Amino acid sequence: AQSVTQLGSHVSVSEGALVLLRCNYSSSVPPYLFWYVQYPNQGLQLLLKYTTGATLVKGINGFEAEFKKSETSFHLTKPSAHMSDAAEYFCAVSDGGAQKLVFGQGTRLTINP
Amino acid sequence: EAGVTQFPSHSVIEKGQTVTLRCDPISGHDNLYWYRRVMGKEIKFLLHFVKESKQDESGMPNNRFLAERTGGTYSTLKVQPAELEDSGVYFCASSLGSGGYGYTFGSGTRLTVV
Repeated sequence: AQSVTQLGSHVSVSEGALVLLRCNYSSSVPPYLFWYVQYPNQGLQLLLKYTTGATLVKGINGFEAEFKKSETSFHLTKPSAHMSDAAEYFCAVSDGGAQKLVFGQGTRLTINP
Repeated sequence: EAGVTQFPSHSVIEKGQTVTLRCDPISGHDNLYWYRRVMGKEIKFLLHFVKESKQDESGMPNNRFLAERTGGTYSTLKVQPAELEDSGVYFCASSLGSGGYGYTFGSGTRLTVV
């Protein structure tokens, strides 16, 4: 069975600082990996995804993530945090064929001025 | 293009009552999914429709939950009778293809059972 672990339910960074949200997964098959963001009172929005090919994936709003098979990780980064990045972030995995997503617990990101 | 629409956005009901949640997917999306997030826990898959057929309902918690998708368009999720542990946010998503990489999620319905 697949699983996802997000390290840290709450992360706080200063505006302009590096954002690093950690995600580790478990999968018995080559995974498809996703990061979603939920802004207050909104639905889940896809930030980026890895399916095959290049392991460094760029997404919207300046975010990127790197698939590291040896570490079973898919950490999300952004070089410089902006106040508008405050939201809850979810890492998810699917096996591609099964069509359903398995989510991590979520990480709430707070940006300090 | 209109997004995935869910209503109501909030619902507060008493234990033992019935509640019906509705999801209108993006027009033309054959795949429709329901997920749920109970407070403090991860978002969990409930079920997947392809058109009007249930493709996978392995995540449905028990027989108090009934999902339908009329004519392959909108879907309803009925909880009858509701229990306290059913409280949470129910998300709907739709996609053209499968595999998760084409999902569009709705804003969710926050259900509170008191």
